[in-house]
Amino acid sequence: SQTIHQWPATLVQPVGSPLSLECTVEGTSNPNLYWYRQAAGRGLQLLFYSVGIGQISSEVPQNLSASRPQDRQFILSSKKLLLSDSGFYLCAWSVRVSYGYTFGSGTRLTVV
Amino acid sequence: AQKVTQAQTEISVVEKEDVTLDCVYETRDTTYYLFWYKQPPSGELVFLIRRNSFDEQNEISGRYSWNFQKSTSSFNFTITASQVVDSAVYFCALSVDTNAGKSTFGDGTTLTVKP
Repeated sequence: SQTIHQWPATLVQPVGSPLSLECTVEGTSNPNLYWYRQAAGRGLQLLFYSVGIGQISSEVPQNLSASRPQDRQFILSSKKLLLSDSGFYLCAWSVRVSYGYTFGSGTRLTVV
Repeated sequence: AQKVTQAQTEISVVEKEDVTLDCVYETRDTTYYLFWYKQPPSGELVFLIRRNSFDEQNEISGRYSWNFQKSTSSFNFTITASQVVDSAVYFCALSVDTNAGKSTFGDGTTLTVKP
């Protein structure tokens, strides 16, 4: 069966520190991968998506970057966190447009 | 461009009441897909249902039902005899084939079911 793992679950980081969030998918090949951010009490904002290894598309200019070093691995990074980077980060995968997304459990990031 | 509007920001009901969550979408694509997701307090979004643009049949799954009407570009979600466990944020989403599989989400409706 297909599963998605996302870690860590919670993270408290000081301003200016680096960030690395990881997401891995099991049980499927060549999935489309997505990083979303949800600010407190708000909707979902698409940050990055990837349709293949090394292929990253950014939706909004920001302090973050993404990489896909392996088919089923998607990493969200930052060199220096800002207070505004706080939020709930969700990784998702899909193999077909019509199927919708399967989401990871999310990472609550607080930048202090 | 695609757009999804969930006009109801918050809804509060008492247990056993029926409640309908509204979703209105916009797209110029003739083939598209609609979804509902549930986000309980734990945070993880859970897929509930999908519908494609060629299938206007309404669907019922237990206490949940969905009403898809292309004429009004709406895909509404009704919970019958609501329960406290239904308390969550509910998101409606839209995808089209021409958009790299990206889904456009509404801002969500926070449903609180009080005992």
